[in-house]
Amino acid sequence: DIQMTQSPSSLSASVGGRVTITCRASQSISSSLNWYQHKPGKAPELLIYAASSLQSAVPSRFSGSGSGTDFTLTISSLQPEDFATYYCQQTYSSPRTFGQGTKLEIK
Amino acid sequence: QITLKESGPTLVKPTQTLTLTCTFSGFSLSTSGVGVGWIRQPPGKALEWLALIYWDDDKRYSPSLKSRLTITKDTSKNQVVLTMTNMDPVDTATYYCAHRIATSGVEYFQHWGQGTLVTVSS
Repeated sequence: DIQMTQSPSSLSASVGGRVTITCRASQSISSSLNWYQHKPGKAPELLIYAASSLQSAVPSRFSGSGSGTDFTLTISSLQPEDFATYYCQQTYSSPRTFGQGTKLEIK
Repeated sequence: QITLKESGPTLVKPTQTLTLTCTFSGFSLSTSGVGVGWIRQPPGKALEWLALIYWDDDKRYSPSLKSRLTITKDTSKNQVVLTMTNMDPVDTATYYCAHRIATSGVEYFQHWGQGTLVTVSS
């Protein structure tokens, strides 16, 4: 299995601030990396696919980058609705593993 | 509009078999590239990918759970069924089904159901 490691596991930030979440794969996965946002009691939502492509209707303050083994999700100008848990997922090979999640909290 | 909804028991006893049904609309599981996957989230823990069935009936399973999982589809009913045998309290989780899209080498879960909480307890 390809292991996906996110860092940090949690972080606090202020509304209007900027955060970067990192996801590292245990082997190269090219650009086969998606990012999801998950809020309690709701279904996860796709933010970024193929490492850097913004899903339709997702605000442009979300951006993704990286390839190979190292990837980042950046949220600029944080909004109150952005406080959630974020997961990366590789789709390079089965099983399509998720990272352990990064919980973003309001400072 | 694409929707998915999970259904099944909310409580199962240890050693029992869990059967979950994902009923979907807005897409066909006969269309090339389409798939439906199952993902779970134990309370306070991360998402865990369980299984995926493709339009051509190909199937993939999490290696750690493969011996306990079976995924099937009924294209005429727009349903995907996941069975998990020998349930244990550690299998307590919210179980999600999701619509898999694949195009030009890109793959993602575009739509998800709301999830169903399954508790394993005697």
